[in-house]
Amino acid sequence: DAGVTQSPTHLIKTRGQQVTLRCSPISGHKSVSWYQQVLGQGPQFIFQYYEKEERGRGNFPDRFSARQFPNYSSELNVNALLLGDSALYLCASSLFVSQRTEAFFGQGTRLTVV
Amino acid sequence: ELKVEQNPLFLSMQEGKNYTIYCNYSTTSDRLYWYRQDPGKSLESLFVLLSNGAVKQEGRLMASLDTKARLSTLHITAAVHDLSATYFCAGYNAGNMLTFGGGTRLMVKP
Repeated sequence: DAGVTQSPTHLIKTRGQQVTLRCSPISGHKSVSWYQQVLGQGPQFIFQYYEKEERGRGNFPDRFSARQFPNYSSELNVNALLLGDSALYLCASSLFVSQRTEAFFGQGTRLTVV
Repeated sequence: ELKVEQNPLFLSMQEGKNYTIYCNYSTTSDRLYWYRQDPGKSLESLFVLLSNGAVKQEGRLMASLDTKARLSTLHITAAVHDLSATYFCAGYNAGNMLTFGGGTRLMVKP
């Protein structure tokens, strides 16, 4: 059974550009969360989606947006990229929106902004 | 709001030695997770600790949870080079978001 898959694995963008990252959850999982991990730090929560609705938002600017599709896959969009957006972006899927369901992480997308 | 602090942030050990990583958290958390991350890789779940006094062991790693002290520990026994990685603890905050500690970078020297 496939785990959480993210695409692309690596990406280089220029300041000011826009980027879209994609995530496919584990089959049967209905919740997807996004995390940003800057080099040398722990992951920071960005968004959580469940059944296509936003269920949580972290302390990130409006340049960050996301959505979830009927097949439960998700996209994270970042507009007007800044150098500080360079990070590993992790997607996690879980069965439900609940603290009692474990989150499983994808391999991440390494975004470099130059 | 849950805050999670780990110490030490960096740990250099000799093979065969024992050491403990500490994870303090600020408010009640339903459960506590430990993850391992290799350089440039994703997070691998190691342990889920569900209740006060919980202890879990896998190989040379043992995790425990003391909810009264708001403390979790990850103990490493007779370290080997393959354990070199960054270890994170995390708990659930309001809104079902995981809050991570800053990580402990473990380097085991031959």
